[in-house]
Amino acid sequence: KNEVEQSPQNLTAQEGEFITINCSYSVGISALHWLQQHPGGGIVSLFMLSSGKKKHGRLIATINIQEKHSSLHITASHPRDSAVYICAVVIGNQFYFGTGTSLTVIP
Amino acid sequence: DAGVIQSPRHEVTEMGQEVTLRCKPISGHNSLFWYRQTMMRGLELLIYFNNNVPIDDSGMPEDRFSAKMPNASFSTLKIQPSEPRDSAVYFCASSLDRFSNTGELFFGEGSRLTVL
Repeated sequence: KNEVEQSPQNLTAQEGEFITINCSYSVGISALHWLQQHPGGGIVSLFMLSSGKKKHGRLIATINIQEKHSSLHITASHPRDSAVYICAVVIGNQFYFGTGTSLTVIP
Repeated sequence: DAGVIQSPRHEVTEMGQEVTLRCKPISGHNSLFWYRQTMMRGLELLIYFNNNVPIDDSGMPEDRFSAKMPNASFSTLKIQPSEPRDSAVYFCASSLDRFSNTGELFFGEGSRLTVL
């Protein structure tokens, strides 16, 4: 049983396109993290959410607690956004990770 | 700030050998996490500490794995004896938030372990 489901698994977009990555979870959570992992392997935390919406530059993250769903949006996508985006939920003391969405933005 | 510092960045060892991975969290952060990433299983939380105390180690796969945090600025993850299936990238992360599992995470660059 996978507590976290991400979609799509792979995504290719043209530079400038608006991108949405989805994350659904099955039980109540205390927080949800969006992480970015670049081809070199380093992981960067993009957002930590427990409700509502957060924005940082061209990135927007939303969460709907009732629907158990979160989305990560990238506006005006750029080739440097190419990375794996990972959703992680916190249930109790445990983190549960999605399998990641591999994004490629083509110039 | 130097960020979370992990060492070694790469380690290649033979089955049966002891492996020690090290992590220095960001100064002032009171939560520290050890994660493992493999192609098959993705990212997994192994253990986390709050104020140097292990809070949840249910993700530690076997007794061969142990983790310590003797002080606020240093943690180790030890595997003894190592096995080929332990080959993975091990990440350390730290967090400032006193609600240790809800704060923003800051990751180290990872230690890539290969056990032959």
